[in-house]
Amino acid sequence: ETGVTQTPRHLVMGMTNKKSLKCEQHLGHNAMYWYKQSAKKPLELMFVYNFKEQTENNSVPSRFSPECPNSSHLFLHLHTLQPEDSALYLCASSRGGEGQETQYFGPGTRLLVL
Amino acid sequence: DQQVKQNSPSLSVQEGRISILNCDYTNSMFDYFLWYKKYPAEGPTFLISISSIKDKNEDGRFTVFLNKSAKHLSLHIVPSQPGDSAVYFCAASAVGNEKLTFGTGTRLTIIP
Repeated sequence: ETGVTQTPRHLVMGMTNKKSLKCEQHLGHNAMYWYKQSAKKPLELMFVYNFKEQTENNSVPSRFSPECPNSSHLFLHLHTLQPEDSALYLCASSRGGEGQETQYFGPGTRLLVL
Repeated sequence: DQQVKQNSPSLSVQEGRISILNCDYTNSMFDYFLWYKKYPAEGPTFLISISSIKDKNEDGRFTVFLNKSAKHLSLHIVPSQPGDSAVYFCAASAVGNEKLTFGTGTRLTIIP
């Protein structure tokens, strides 16, 4: 596989469920990102990891919990979500840490919270 | 406060003609600008970028122009093709920072 992959592509969960989104990048990058895209809104940055260290948490509620075990993998653990959390969740990666970087995106996970 | 703005939510262009998508920004610390294309149910795909030290960058049918004094950039697609129909996002990052700030997107429709 090449590029950035995300699983699952679609997810339906109840408000009491716990689920995890997975992202893997095959580009040799050192920075990984989680974004949320809701209808009619710009992409919202949620978390940034640089060399496995979290460098940004954009005031995201604690019901979203990221994990970055290594530079190639990124998870987003979900628990007790709300219906307004339904959105497209995108993962991206880039070289890492120097600015003027291009981020490459995965296909996203379409999440529906019932 | 929306630091990157795409004021046209949609644009329709005849096939073969030039498509011009516009983007304005407010943060003078932005030094790198990118355009992404997005199809429904897919992630954004990187198209072209430009550093603030340049005012033009070209890649095939795609050209990005940067006017720093006006804090404005544009993407020109010529000639436009049906496969170019998608949502286009502009994005920007500030000096020494990998974070991207995105606009709200412009939906481009190419009319055959």
